[in-house]
Amino acid sequence: EVQLVESGGVVVQPGGSLRLSCAASGFTFDDYAMHWVRQAPGKGLEWVSLISWDGGSTYYADSVKGRFTISRDNSKNSLYLQMNSLRAEDTALYYCAKGVREMATITAFDIWGQGTMVTVSS
Amino acid sequence: AIRMTQSPSSLSASTGDRVTITCRASQGISSYLAWYQQKPGKAPKLLIYAASTLQSGVPSRFSGSGSGTDFTLTISCLQSEDFATYYCQQYYSYPPPWTFGQGTKVEIK
Repeated sequence: EVQLVESGGVVVQPGGSLRLSCAASGFTFDDYAMHWVRQAPGKGLEWVSLISWDGGSTYYADSVKGRFTISRDNSKNSLYLQMNSLRAEDTALYYCAKGVREMATITAFDIWGQGTMVTVSS
Repeated sequence: AIRMTQSPSSLSASTGDRVTITCRASQGISSYLAWYQQKPGKAPKLLIYAASTLQSGVPSRFSGSGSGTDFTLTISCLQSEDFATYYCQQYYSYPPPWTFGQGTKVEIK
């Protein structure tokens, strides 16, 4: 079964740091671009970051650029999001998602994890 | 960034109804448009990509159309399990960001 499982979400103080993880299974992880998408409580979806299948290219939403870093370890079938200088507005459910097409960056997202909640509060 | 605007923001419909949701892009995005369904407490589910390609396993009552700036998601015969929030997303801009519409909530009349 194709599956993504996120972890690492907690309550953290403003200015703090956190690393989210996403464990992939059931597909050839290193063939697919991966994304992080977030959803603030009661709000819509916001794309956060993209990493290419080989990790060679990364992109970020302006709202997180310079504070968040996406990475992957293809040997561990894992995706990560390092989050620094956290703000109250980063409070959200963070999903990892898989690209539809192999070896392609520009695709929709066909598999999503269940999400991990990050709360930034003092 | 490309702005995606969905209409309506919410609608009430009955089982068996034909439902149409519209998504408009602030600039042309060719056919780089996806539709997702999200139920409360659940992750989004891909319904359609490339504007009109039905994702594997999605019922044929869902269909998508459009290109350029104007797109439509149609549910031909609404079922009870279709009551949810629907989002469009463009993945045309490169480099990203890839933006979502604000969502359309389909509620029971």
